[in-house]
Amino acid sequence: DIQMTQSPSSLSASVGDRVTITCRASQSISSYLNWYQQKPGKAPKLLIYAASSLQSGVPSRFSGSGSGTDFTLTISSLQPEDFATYYCQQSYSTPQNSFGQGTKLEIK
Amino acid sequence: EVQLVESGGGLIQPGGSLRLSCAASGFTVSSNYMSWVRQAPGKGLEWVSVIYSGGSTYYADSVKGRFTISRDNSKNTLYLQMNSLRAEDTAVYYCARTIAAQMDVWGKGTTVTVSS
Repeated sequence: DIQMTQSPSSLSASVGDRVTITCRASQSISSYLNWYQQKPGKAPKLLIYAASSLQSGVPSRFSGSGSGTDFTLTISSLQPEDFATYYCQQSYSTPQNSFGQGTKLEIK
Repeated sequence: EVQLVESGGGLIQPGGSLRLSCAASGFTVSSNYMSWVRQAPGKGLEWVSVIYSGGSTYYADSVKGRFTISRDNSKNTLYLQMNSLRAEDTAVYYCARTIAAQMDVWGKGTTVTVSS
């Protein structure tokens, strides 16, 4: 099974900050990596797919990069509505598409 | 509007059964891959099951042999039959449209609590 490890597990930042979240796979997954945002009590929302493709309707301040085993999600300028938990998900070993443990982004 | 609405959750005793439903609108369930994902209280996301457009089904090891995913094309609805429920199955269950393994449309979820 492919294990996905996110870092950090939690992060405090301020509005306007540039933030980077990292996701590492236990083996190479090429670019088969997706990112989701989840707010408390809500369903997850797809942000980035195939490592760097922005889902329709997602603000351009979100970007993704990486391939192989190391990936990053970057928010260029944090907005108040961005404080949430972020999950990566590998889609290489379909259908066993495992998620990372999540990164909680909190207001400093 | 593309939408998914789950129902069927509730409180159930260990060993019991429950069937979750996920009604779709704005797209055709049978033409898409459809997944179930769950989230235990205070925990992360866990993929549970998927049904492909061709009808193939797959399950996480944690639910294999106990859960069954299916769909009713006439009702445009996805199901998850859950048998032999355990306390560790307690979670919010989400259905999601799955395109090329990314989940682009999610329901709001339905809560399953397994407790005596």
